Amino acid sequence: AQSVSQHNHHVILSEAASLELGCNYSYGGTVNLFWYVQYPGQHLQLLLKYFSGDPLVKGIKGFEAEFIKSKFSFNLRKPSVQWSDTAEYFCAVYNAGNMLTFGGGTRLMVKP
Amino acid sequence: DSGVTQTPKHLITATGQRVTLRCSPRSGDLSVYWYQQSLDQGLQFLIHYYNGEERAKGNILERFSAQQFPDLHSELNLSSLELGDSALYFCASSLLSGVTYNEQFFGPGTRLTVL
Repeated sequence: AQSVSQHNHHVILSEAASLELGCNYSYGGTVNLFWYVQYPGQHLQLLLKYFSGDPLVKGIKGFEAEFIKSKFSFNLRKPSVQWSDTAEYFCAVYNAGNMLTFGGGTRLMVKP
Repeated sequence: DSGVTQTPKHLITATGQRVTLRCSPRSGDLSVYWYQQSLDQGLQFLIHYYNGEERAKGNILERFSAQQFPDLHSELNLSSLELGDSALYFCASSLLSGVTYNEQFFGPGTRLTVL
């Protein structure tokens, strides 16, 4: 069975700091990987996705993620965070049957 | 706004009771998915329906059941509720179903509190 691990449960940063959230998955075959964001009181929204091709994926709001196959990782990055990035971030992997398996989530708090 | 609606927003009930959560997918979407988000289990896939038929089951308890109606809305029924069932229940919808990925759009969720 697939699993997704997010190592950082809580991250606190000051505005303008750089962000990197770790995500590792356990699946040896072809993977489709995603990062979702959940702003306080809102629904899950897709930040970015990786299917194939360029391992560096750019998403909305200045976020990007790098797929490193040898490390089974798909880390999320942002060069300079803003207070409005305060949210919970979920890494997910898709398998056949259109089922998303999510990581445990990382709560990011950005201090103004 | 994702276009997926869920009712009610909040539900408070007692142990042993039964509740029904409702989800209306985006216009044109044929697939509906249910997820449970709890503090101890995280965000878990429960069940997937496509055009009225069950397509996949995840970590769904036997006390829980779901269905998708001809108008494509879906209901998740939770019975013999326990304290541990307190969670946020999300519904998502996508256009199709199959091996290739269809983007899932999530609703705002129903927060269930079992006292």
